[in-house]
This record gives sequence, structure tokens and C-alpha cells, in this order.
Amino acid sequence: NAGVIQTPRHKVTGKGQEATLWCEPISGHSAVFWYRQTIVQGLEFLTYFRNQAPIDDSGMPKERFSAQMPNQSHSTLKIQSTQPQDSAVYLCASSLWGVSYEQYFGPGTRLTVL
Amino acid sequence: SQWGEENLQALSIQEGEDVTMNCSYKTYTTVVHWYRQDSGRGPALIILIRSNEREKRSGRLRATLDTSSQSSSLSITAAQCEDTAVYFCATDRGMGYKLTFGTGTSLLVDP
Repeated sequence: NAGVIQTPRHKVTGKGQEATLWCEPISGHSAVFWYRQTIVQGLEFLTYFRNQAPIDDSGMPKERFSAQMPNQSHSTLKIQSTQPQDSAVYLCASSLWGVSYEQYFGPGTRLTVL
Repeated sequence: SQWGEENLQALSIQEGEDVTMNCSYKTYTTVVHWYRQDSGRGPALIILIRSNEREKRSGRLRATLDTSSQSSSLSITAAQCEDTAVYFCATDRGMGYKLTFGTGTSLLVDP
């Protein structure tokens, strides 16, 4: 079991460019979560998929951020027109549905917007 | 101690000592998760305690939960250098899936 895989591990973009972050959940896990981690805000929930369907995106900034889960083996988080304040570590987690929601995190993608 | 939203705390102890980290949360939760995060890695779940449990043990770890005071604690017995990490509590605010993380306690265990 390779755990949750996130690529790339580091990404540097210029202000205004687009960034796409990838997540491969643990095989068999039906729930996928995205979180953002910064020094100032800590760990914040962004969005959640269950069986590939978007369930809760209440933590997603309304503009420029979008997430998809086109199949059970990967999810993407896309940030359009990146801004310096988007700089953070973006974490993906997966879990089995209904098992206390024990979430297994990937190593994260560190996004730096210059 | 850490709240649901603020106050990162730093602790420094010697190897072999016991240590307790506290977490206070503001809203109802069905479960408290305790995670540790090593530098450059994602959080890793180390112990989970449900609202109907008062205590949970796993090896050298012991978690307690007091729902009346909305607080939880994580104790490490005979800490080792490899216990050096940032420890987070997380609650689900009754939603079961959306975790709200505390600000974390940075633990340094010196040899």
C-alpha cells in the first residue's frame, strides 16, 4: 500500500498562472478530502468527495479554486490565476466511508506563488 | 494547550520524560482525532477517541476525552527522540467527516 500519493511535491508559479495539483487516494477508499495548511491559518478543510461525487465544498474559496474527481483513482485541485496568498501546502486525504472517517493524508504539495 | 482555532504551543522535554498535550474544542464532536506531523510530511493519525469513550490507549500513547468540558488530552509515556513532531487534535463538529484542526503543539524531545 503506497498510501495517498500527491504530485507534484513542490510547485512554483508566477502570479496569474494556473496550478493543478493531483491526488491519488488509497485504493478502495471512497472518500477524498482536500485541506490547505499555512502557518497563519493552520490546517483548513477545503472540499470533500464521496464515491467521486462532490459532497461539501464549503471551504473552497469561491473564485479561482475548483476540484474534481473524474474517477476513483484520482482527484485534482485547480487554482486559476494564482495569487501570492494561495501559497500553502495542499494536503489530500482519503478514508473508507463510515469507518470513523479515519483520514489518511498524503505528503502534500507545497505551492509557492511568486 | 491548543484550541480548535489558535495557540500553537511549543514543548521541550528530555528523553524518558512523560508529557501531556491538551486540546479544547468549542463545538460538539462525535470523535477527537489526534494526529502527528513530521517535518515535510502529511499528518498521520495516531489515536482516535470517540465521544462515548473517556480514555483510549495505544502503546505509549493515552488519549482522554471529557465531553462535558469539551477537552481532550494526549499523553506520551517515556518520550523518545522519535516522538519529536507537531501534534494536532481534530474534531468533526458532529459532521463525521469535515475535520477542524487545532493549531498544534510542537514537541521537541532532546536526547
